[in-house]
Amino acid sequence: DAKTTQPPSMDCAEGRAANLPCNHSTISGNEYVYWYRQIHSQGPQYIIHGLKNNETNEMASLIITEDRKSSTLILPHATLRDTAVYYCIALKWGGANSKLTFGKGITLSVRP
Amino acid sequence: DSGVTQTPKHLITATGQRVTLRCSPRSGDLSVYWYQQSLDQGLQFLIQYYNGEERAKGNILERFSAQQFPDLHSELNLSSLELGDSALYFCASSVGQGGSGYEQYFGPGTRLTVT
Repeated sequence: DAKTTQPPSMDCAEGRAANLPCNHSTISGNEYVYWYRQIHSQGPQYIIHGLKNNETNEMASLIITEDRKSSTLILPHATLRDTAVYYCIALKWGGANSKLTFGKGITLSVRP
Repeated sequence: DSGVTQTPKHLITATGQRVTLRCSPRSGDLSVYWYQQSLDQGLQFLIQYYNGEERAKGNILERFSAQQFPDLHSELNLSSLELGDSALYFCASSVGQGGSGYEQYFGPGTRLTVT
């Protein structure tokens, strides 16, 4: 699976959009970009995934650049409950090993 | 609520002892994964079962073992416990086994403290 890099932390104001970047410059054509988050000591939570098209669900939007070397997770209206560590992961579709390997992630702090 | 349940929530035990952690996957999910999370190691994949069979193994110690039962619930057995085994243990489930269903849904975890 391709390596992903994320800045260690960022913050945003409550009610504003939070844009979380992720670099995956070595991603291969059959690797999806997945985002999970973990609120302190709780189980990680799946957010969204995509291959090359932009994706949106009830939690967030995922914007993937045309060359697929980077992506941005967008939380449109961040709340205090969105304060968490966010993990960007590249995973091969169809692989026999579907374990998740979390890096250090990006700590998002939402301030009032 | 992810639909994945884990028991117990907390467990305190002494070195050398053996414990069993239990996980019930979401309804309809056939894969169960076990992860260990300690402060200095991050989330580490231990083992995966799919429909009762072992599918993938990660950094699981020989003192640890797991199984998935016909009703799809899973148990993680930890024996000869050491202080370093103190951690959060998460179970996750997904519909598929790797060819599909990468979305894994995590339980609330079991916090194990070895004294």
